[in-house]
This record gives sequence, C-alpha cells and structure tokens, in this order.
Amino acid sequence: QQQVKQSPQSLIVQKGGISIINCAYENTAFDYFPWYQQFPGKGPALLIAIRPDVSEKKEGRFTISFNKSAKQFSLHIMDSQPGDSATYFCAASTGGGYNKLIFGAGTRLAVHP
Amino acid sequence: NAGVTQTPKFRILKIGQSMTLQCTQDMNHNYMYWYRQDPGMGLKLIYYSVGAGITDKGEVPNGYNVSRSTTEDFPLRLELAAPSQTSVYFCASSYLKSGLYNSPLHFGNGTRLTVT
Repeated sequence: QQQVKQSPQSLIVQKGGISIINCAYENTAFDYFPWYQQFPGKGPALLIAIRPDVSEKKEGRFTISFNKSAKQFSLHIMDSQPGDSATYFCAASTGGGYNKLIFGAGTRLAVHP
Repeated sequence: NAGVTQTPKFRILKIGQSMTLQCTQDMNHNYMYWYRQDPGMGLKLIYYSVGAGITDKGEVPNGYNVSRSTTEDFPLRLELAAPSQTSVYFCASSYLKSGLYNSPLHFGNGTRLTVT
C-alpha cells in the first residue's frame, strides 16, 4: 500500500510533442505528490508538486493532473524540448508523522530533435 | 553556495572492504537523508536524520550505518561491502520534513559505487 507505481519506464517523444508520465497509488492518506527531474550525473531536483485539494497545477510547460477518485496523477510536458531529456520520478507522502517520500521507479524521457 | 556535496564521485570496492561516503550541506538544514538508486527501482531511503545526534532507519538499512555529529555532515558507512551494494548513492537534505509541501529535498550529485 506504500508503493507508487510509475509508467512508462522509458519514453521517446519528438521535439514539440507532449510527454505524459503516469503514476498510481493505493494509500489514500497520501496528501503530497511531487515530481523530481534528474539529469545524467546529477541528483534529482524538485520540478513541480501538487496537493490533492486541486485537480491540476501548471508551471510553464509542465502540468500535473490529479485524479483523487482514481488514485492517479500524471505529469504532462507540453512542447517537449531536447533539454527536457531526463529521468522523472513521481513521489508521494502523508502529512502525518515523519512523512517520508515514497518514490516511483522513474521514467527515462528522450526528446528527439 | 555549494548546497549538498558528496565525496567521492566514484569508488570501486572489493567484497568485504569498508568505506565511508561523505555528505555535507551548507544550508543549515536539520533533515538529512541517504538514498540508493538502482536501475528501474527508483530511490530507496537507507537512513535519515532529523537533527544532530538523531538518526533512524529507512526502507533498506541493512549493511549500512550512519552518524550525525553536526548539522552539516551525515556520513554513510559500509562495513563489509557486498555486490548487492553496487548502486548510486545520493545524500539529500531538507529544511523541514521531506513530505511537506514547502520542503523539497535538495540532493547531492551522487556517489557511484561498484563492489566486485
């Protein structure tokens, strides 16, 4: 119940296209859903995050869509660019206690020119 | 403005050897963490610390030890290296608990460890 399932494992998109990465969870106590972006040779960095009281959050070309009833959330990258090529991790946590982040397995995105 | 600094960047160990992965942060964060990253497995929490002198186990603590004598430093110790510990190790810090909305994790650039 503590897992976060992420798909696809890898994704190839043409420049200008839309990249979509999906995550699903079981624990209804999760109340914080961030996405981290990791470039080769670097540590992950927070990209965007959402709380379950909203269904969508947009920051520039990056949008999180959240479906509480389906227990799913997704990252959409509009007008994908080669510079977006990276590994993306979704994560989730609960607000109580220590609230450790549970990470998905990651999606390796390649945006071809 | 260094953030989280990890050393070394790469290391090869023989089975049974010991080593310490170093981690230091200059953001005065109370919370620090060690993760390992394996292909297709995401990030798994090894140990974490909520402040100097306080540490606790994460999801995968076996074979590792940590200490936190200062706010800045959080070294990870491997006592008897095993091939299963071949991985990329990331240290991270946060101002507040990592699961809070306004408390992102700040990661170092990792240590790639190979045990043969």
